[in-house]
Amino acid sequence: QSALTQPPSVSGSPGQSVTISCTGASSDVGSYNHVSWYQQSPGTAPKLIIYEVSSRPSGVPDRFSGSKSGNTASLTISGLQAEDEAHYYCTSFTTSTTYVFGTGTKVTVL
Amino acid sequence: QVQLQETGPGLVKPSETLSLTCTVSGTSVSNYHWAWIRQPPGKGLDWIGLVYGRGKTSYKPSLKGRVTISVDTSKNQFSLNLRSVTAADTAVYYCARDWSWGFGPWGQGTLVAVSS
Repeated sequence: QSALTQPPSVSGSPGQSVTISCTGASSDVGSYNHVSWYQQSPGTAPKLIIYEVSSRPSGVPDRFSGSKSGNTASLTISGLQAEDEAHYYCTSFTTSTTYVFGTGTKVTVL
Repeated sequence: QVQLQETGPGLVKPSETLSLTCTVSGTSVSNYHWAWIRQPPGKGLDWIGLVYGRGKTSYKPSLKGRVTISVDTSKNQFSLNLRSVTAADTAVYYCARDWSWGFGPWGQGTLVAVSS
């Protein structure tokens, strides 16, 4: 199984919106709404911020939103804040009943 | 509040077996599915496998044959065994709960180095 493809980096100024894409295949992203997103700051464990494509766990700001079209899922951070600077990873369930992670994206707040 | 904690050796010799345990508090391991995920230094996340609450497992295809994940309901723990390790298996190893097709919460992670 191949890793899902994410852009290596995206950047934006405070208050702006940024979108991170997560491209897979018909055997993973395209088959299920089982796509989730994680935020990882340096030296810490990843944190779940989106599950089932667009649902937010309790406590995650509504600035974070998710969507999916075909084989590509997306994470949008609206009203970018300095504390959003981190690495972001997507993951998807697959038709082989396994999971696959994305390659990861570094978000920089300018 | 569900919490997870990884424990195990921080150094394993090449060709030997890496063994880690994840202790779960705040819920029973029987209630959810549980995952092991690793992250080589400076690299991205890599899903290793999953154990369902009743013991059924699913593994990353490229690791199948080397990996075993099991659950011990009496100790409220689940474990990872990775055989015949090489330097490529050096990573921070995380345990996590599989919840609604996402992973959360996660343990703090434990660094395992493979070196002679």
